[in-house]
Amino acid sequence: AQKVTQAQTEISVVEKEDVTLDCVYETRDTTYYLFWYKQPPSGELVFLIRRNSFDEQNEISGRYSWNFQKSTSSFNFTITASQVVDSAVYFCALSGSSGNQFYFGTGTSLTVIP
Amino acid sequence: EPEVTQTPSHQVTQMGQEVILRCVPISNHLYFYWYRQILGQKVEFLVSFYNNEISEKSEIFDDQFSVERPDGSNFTLKIRSTKLEDSAMYFCASSDSGLAADTQYFGPGTRLTVL
Repeated sequence: AQKVTQAQTEISVVEKEDVTLDCVYETRDTTYYLFWYKQPPSGELVFLIRRNSFDEQNEISGRYSWNFQKSTSSFNFTITASQVVDSAVYFCALSGSSGNQFYFGTGTSLTVIP
Repeated sequence: EPEVTQTPSHQVTQMGQEVILRCVPISNHLYFYWYRQILGQKVEFLVSFYNNEISEKSEIFDDQFSVERPDGSNFTLKIRSTKLEDSAMYFCASSDSGLAADTQYFGPGTRLTVL
């Protein structure tokens, strides 16, 4: 079974603080893929990153960074020097080798306070 | 940049009525998907579609639901007889291939309200 858990329902930070959003996944597939999407107040789902199970290198893109650790089945997302525009719901998702559907976590609602 | 579009952005209907939600996937993509998100909950997979056939569907996608690609650009989700619990945001997505590795690009969603 595929499952994604985002234990943090809501997080509030003050602008310029760093914040980490947690994602823990479960899968029996040896090959799988992890994704992060951003859902701003306007409602659309914006793709942020994809990571495959064989690549445990951390990735940095501007103020965003991702820490993938297979040993703990986690794929955490850090925003450095948060900005008000980062306020959104962030979803972690998993796809496995047994199909093409995505399994989403319940999302973390991030509020950045100016 | 190519994007997935969806119409309408908001649909209000009476219980028992039929609704059709429309999507235009990214033009060179071959796989199409519908997901739904009940307010405040996670995004859930409904169905995937390739080569004019359903390739995968979830338990949610029962006989009340159907999908169709009526022409070369549109991809539709039909709910035959809406129920109150069908109220949700419906997202269309598309991908280049149907591989698990492939990123799915989502449209802006259609908010369906069933009264």
